[in-house]
Parts: sequence; C-alpha cells; structure tokens
Amino acid sequence: DTAVSQTPKYLVTQMGNDKSIKCEQNLGHDTMYWYKQDSKKFLKIMFSYNNKELIINETVPNRFSPKSPDKAHLNLHINSLELGDSAVYFCASSQAPGQWVGYTFGSGTRLTVV
Amino acid sequence: KNEVEQSPQNLTAQEGEFITINCSYSVGISALHWLQQHPGGGIVSLFMLSSGKKKHGRLIATINIQEKHSSLHITASHPRDSAVYICAVLYGGATNKLIFGTGTLLAVQP
Repeated sequence: DTAVSQTPKYLVTQMGNDKSIKCEQNLGHDTMYWYKQDSKKFLKIMFSYNNKELIINETVPNRFSPKSPDKAHLNLHINSLELGDSAVYFCASSQAPGQWVGYTFGSGTRLTVV
Repeated sequence: KNEVEQSPQNLTAQEGEFITINCSYSVGISALHWLQQHPGGGIVSLFMLSSGKKKHGRLIATINIQEKHSSLHITASHPRDSAVYICAVLYGGATNKLIFGTGTLLAVQP
C-alpha cells in the first residue's frame, strides 16, 4: 500500500482551465503539506494542514485553494491555470506539526500547462 | 539568498570515489533532513539529524549545530547513487515546515 498517494501522476491542460490534484495518506498522520518543485528542482512549501485546519499558507496566488475534507486527505484545486503553474507538485505528511517522525512524500504530480 | 545553501550544485564522480555534499543554513532549526530524488521524481528520506552523525550503508550524514552546517558523504560511490540530493531544515516553531536547499545533482560514472 502506498503511504502517500497523489493523483494524477501527470496532468497536461490548457491555460485558463481549472484542475485538481488529490492526495491521500494512510499513515494516520495529522499533518499534510503541499510543495511545489520548479524547473530548477527547487522545492517550496505552499500549504500545510493539521487535522483539517490550515496552519501554513505561504505566498501563493489565491487561484490555488487547498481543501482537507478529513485529516487523511489534502486536495489542491487550481483555478485559471497559467503557464507559470507548470511544475511538479508534491504532497507530504507527518505525524504532527513540530515533529519529524515519519515525514513522507508522495510521488509527485507533474503539471504541464500549455 | 536562500536560507539553506548547498554545495556543490553539480557533481560528477567516477565510480568508487568518496563524495561529500555540503549544506549550510542561516536559521535556527530543530533538525535537518537529507533527501534523495531520482530521475523519475520520487523523493526519499535518507536521514533526519538533530546532532552528531548517522550512518546507513554507504551513506554518512553529519551535522554541526553550532556551525549551522551538515555534510552528506557517500563512500564507494556507484552509478545508482546518481540523483539529486536535497538538504532541508525543519524551521523551529509550532509548525512542521521544511525549508529546502537548492539541491545537488550527482552523476556517478562507471
């Protein structure tokens, strides 16, 4: 069983579309994250939720909206996609904020906006 | 300037060589993480360190909290070690937020 699973793995879409990326973890963790990795392979945090509550919200365009229906899921919805949104998006989870134990990444979603 | 700096950015080595990748950071941290990302993209945790040294197989990681510096060493390198190695620090406070280095692209040639 995959611990942190993201879908889809690849996503190609046109500018202006709205798309969602889903993330689920079966580790029983309380905290989940979204990271963006740009073309230079630099990873940067976007959002973090702890037990369905938003705790980190970095400077991200408000076209990006995370949604956590329960603590095992953190989805990322992107409105009005732009070329610059093309990147690899990684979901991750950990037991709790402030704790390292079991920090686990998903396999990434490669988003290409054309 | 990024809060977490890695060097070198690119490294090419011959199989069998001893490799060192360095990570320096400027913020107060509670721990540091070394990650490996293979072509194909998956990110794997190698080590979590808050002090001293850890060893796993041919990989050794050290950290000096006073000097705000960590190193990742690979002994007897092999082409399958070719990957991007990323240093990340856990930023202190109530949130479990990782700040990443820029990564080191390692290519080990046979």
